[in-house]
Amino acid sequence: EDQVTQSPEALRLQEGESSSLNCSYTVSGLRGLFWYRQDPGKGPEFLFTLYSAGEEKEKERLKATLTKKESFLHITAPKPEDSATYLCAVCRGYGGATNKLIFGTGTLLAVQP
Amino acid sequence: DAMVIQNPRYQVTQFGKPVTLSCSQTLNHNVMYWYQQKSSQAPKLLFHYYDKDFNNEADTPDNFQSRRPNTSFCFLDIRSPGLGDAAMYLCATSRDWRGRSSYEQYFGPGTRLTVT
Repeated sequence: EDQVTQSPEALRLQEGESSSLNCSYTVSGLRGLFWYRQDPGKGPEFLFTLYSAGEEKEKERLKATLTKKESFLHITAPKPEDSATYLCAVCRGYGGATNKLIFGTGTLLAVQP
Repeated sequence: DAMVIQNPRYQVTQFGKPVTLSCSQTLNHNVMYWYQQKSSQAPKLLFHYYDKDFNNEADTPDNFQSRRPNTSFCFLDIRSPGLGDAAMYLCATSRDWRGRSSYEQYFGPGTRLTVT
């Protein structure tokens, strides 16, 4: 059965304190792994797509990495504006030309000044 | 800017009173999705359209229906809302898989549905 597990569920950091969020997954026919940021009361905002093990993507203070079983979202020197829920989703084929995202429940990150 | 728009942002309906949520997109994507997200939970896929082809998830209740009159618009109809249907409803779009083009899903801001 396809499954995505994120840890920790919640993380509180001081401004400037680097850390990592984990996303472990089991899925058949992986087409990609996505990271999204979700602010309270808003829709998920796309951050990264990773397609194959060993791939890395960076954007400002965020860096995403992928292995065959898990992905990490590294946050370097976070700022309070990085506070949000970070969602991981794996993408697999749905049959034909569409795809399906299977989401984890997210990590709620709070960065204190 | 190309985007996904959802209206209304907040909707209050009475128990059992039909309600329609709206989604439009300017990305010209041929796939549109509807998700339900309850507090502190992962988004749950309800159904999606590939062009005009409707694909229902096996565990989506019959109470939920959808229409896609054209490429740009998609509607979510809840025929008889119950208290358990109170949630954030998210619309998303993507290109299809053919040609290995990027197929990220782009989400709208969501509609928060309250059932009284």
